[in-house]
Amino acid sequence: GAGVSQSPSNKVTEKGKDVELRCDPISGHTALYWYRQSLGQGLEFLIYFQGNSAPDKSGLPSDRFSAERTGGSVSTLTIQRTQQEDSAVYLCASSLVSGSPNEQYFGPGTRLTVT
Amino acid sequence: GQNIDQPTEMTATEGAIVQINCTYQTSGFNGLFWYQQHAGEAPTFLSYNVLDGLEEKGRFSSFLSRSKGYSYLLLKELQMKDSASYLCAFYGGATNKLIFGTGTLLAVQP
Repeated sequence: GAGVSQSPSNKVTEKGKDVELRCDPISGHTALYWYRQSLGQGLEFLIYFQGNSAPDKSGLPSDRFSAERTGGSVSTLTIQRTQQEDSAVYLCASSLVSGSPNEQYFGPGTRLTVT
Repeated sequence: GQNIDQPTEMTATEGAIVQINCTYQTSGFNGLFWYQQHAGEAPTFLSYNVLDGLEEKGRFSSFLSRSKGYSYLLLKELQMKDSASYLCAFYGGATNKLIFGTGTLLAVQP
């Protein structure tokens, strides 16, 4: 597709359940980012993948959060044993990395609600 | 450490000009971005400054002063559709990690 896509668009889950969120970046973009945005807040960086390098996981809030990127393309963010405070919009972005300004292109996000 | 600050909310009138300020602190700097985010939608790229000065793009302009750690986004000839949140962000240090401000919610009134 032409842009970053994410699925599902909305997810409602019960506290304690695991969820998987998917991101398809723009074709050819080597960098992929996950962010979290709580209601009325800015974007909180979670994790960053660049090519075959080890991901930058410095933003993951706890060990319940993990992400992988298979084949340098699609990425999955997994949240285990979800808590109510995990409720937020999870945004994925991709970029070319090389060259300037290296702007990030965002997907529409997945709205996660933990009940 | 790294820090970024912008006003929480602003109100302006259709047809007017509004300036949204952003200040930041970081030990390394690789460029400053402005994004626009309409309610319920993803952020979209507006502008990028890496050198001091003004970058103009249609009705939108962005200014950067690296020595002052300061940027602003200038919106001219405001339209109702400009009502959105405007996010300031920079690449900190040697990473490709964008650090975002909390955003400025702009309300354009008739």
